[in-house]
Amino acid sequence: DQQVKQNSPSLSVQEGRISILNCDYTNSMFDYFLWYKKYPAEGPTFLISISSIKDKNEDGRFTVFLNKSAKHLSLHIVPSQPGDSAVYFCAASGRLYNFNKFYFGSGTKLNVKP
Amino acid sequence: GAVVSQHPSWVICKSGTSVKIECRSLDFQATTMFWYRQFPKQSLMLMATSNEGSKATYEQGVEKDKFLINHASLTLSTLTVTSAHPEDSSFYICSASGGHNEKLFFGSGTQLSVL
Repeated sequence: DQQVKQNSPSLSVQEGRISILNCDYTNSMFDYFLWYKKYPAEGPTFLISISSIKDKNEDGRFTVFLNKSAKHLSLHIVPSQPGDSAVYFCAASGRLYNFNKFYFGSGTKLNVKP
Repeated sequence: GAVVSQHPSWVICKSGTSVKIECRSLDFQATTMFWYRQFPKQSLMLMATSNEGSKATYEQGVEKDKFLINHASLTLSTLTVTSAHPEDSSFYICSASGGHNEKLFFGSGTQLSVL
């Protein structure tokens, strides 16, 4: 049973427009969330995080929104650039019960077209 | 940011042999490291949690005798795939928690191909 879900396997966006990647989770004990970017045959690289005490966190072109009642988070990239093309994973952790043990979604492959 | 080194980056082996993958935290001490496995077009699946100086904790469905984990120091964890079979072919990634910000830092992964 997957506790973190990314229901869109792929997303295609024009350069300069906004990319919105979505993630849903089922475990109400999750209180810390991360987004990672991954290129083929490489390890993921950290993008941005958010804890459950916030509903928004912004870092440059990347903003993560958290809706706790809906158990939903999203990553907004604006403006999108061709170099953003990669697979994006969301990950969730419940620090109160299992510190640093993260569960990952299945990923969304983003393609930013020039 | 913190650096996690993983090697080898790829390995090809014959069926029945054992393969060891190393994961090192280069500039921080990692009391906990994690091992993941990824099949093509699928998610990172947590295999086990490696704790320094104690036995690893395996996720349900992961054979502990098949995937041996040793975390002998605060900077090194190893995963040994014993008696590898073609179905063990996969991309294996380690990660470690670094310092105060609780982010996970990942190694670059190991592509294992068992012939």
